[in-house]
Amino acid sequence: DAGITQSPRHKVTETGTPVTLRCHQTENHRYMYWYRQDPGHGLRLIHYSYGVKDTDKGEVSDGYSVSRSKTEDFLLTLESATSSQTSVYFCAISVGRFPEQYFGPGTRLTVT
Amino acid sequence: GENVEQHPSTLSVQEGDSAVIKCTYSDSASNYFPWYKQELGKRPQLIIDIRSNVGEKKDQRIAVTLNKTAKHFSLHITETQPEDSAVYFCAASIETGANNLFFGTGTRLTVIP
Repeated sequence: DAGITQSPRHKVTETGTPVTLRCHQTENHRYMYWYRQDPGHGLRLIHYSYGVKDTDKGEVSDGYSVSRSKTEDFLLTLESATSSQTSVYFCAISVGRFPEQYFGPGTRLTVT
Repeated sequence: GENVEQHPSTLSVQEGDSAVIKCTYSDSASNYFPWYKQELGKRPQLIIDIRSNVGEKKDQRIAVTLNKTAKHFSLHITETQPEDSAVYFCAASIETGANNLFFGTGTRLTVIP
């Protein structure tokens, strides 16, 4: 499982509230990614990080921000959650030298 | 950006038969093509990948083929078993830097015992 954990695993929140999801890895991998998974869309990249304090946008970044203050943690924040952000969120890592990505267990977020 | 299309969206086969899932991509610069298997409620798991300098790669009952000229690649599963039932995703990326993956929309494979 590449030493990746996500927290929380499930969360229900109300529209307009802030939400932070955490991805934690234990193997000092350089690259970390946040994806969302929705029926009919597969997995879509939200943001990614290529080092501490180094992040960039993916294809569906609107409404999301990220931070990486330590190698092992990559945080995804929904500043003001909306119902369209109800989804399953997956974190992934790659070693960087090789392109393979390995996924965390996912967080199911429901915005009511 | 890259656009990956995947077909079919659902596929049912009898146990022991073969299954083929096809993907096309739009960016000719893409050179890394992984396939993921996702069981219900679980994380996507990398099962096989191919780079653009090879045309085919096999790993036991699964194989992937790549046609760079036509910009399509396929997953082949032979002698299917019930435990092969899952959703399969193809993806494409340019193997530099962050290697951002662009995924297809998935194929739900059901193997009927």
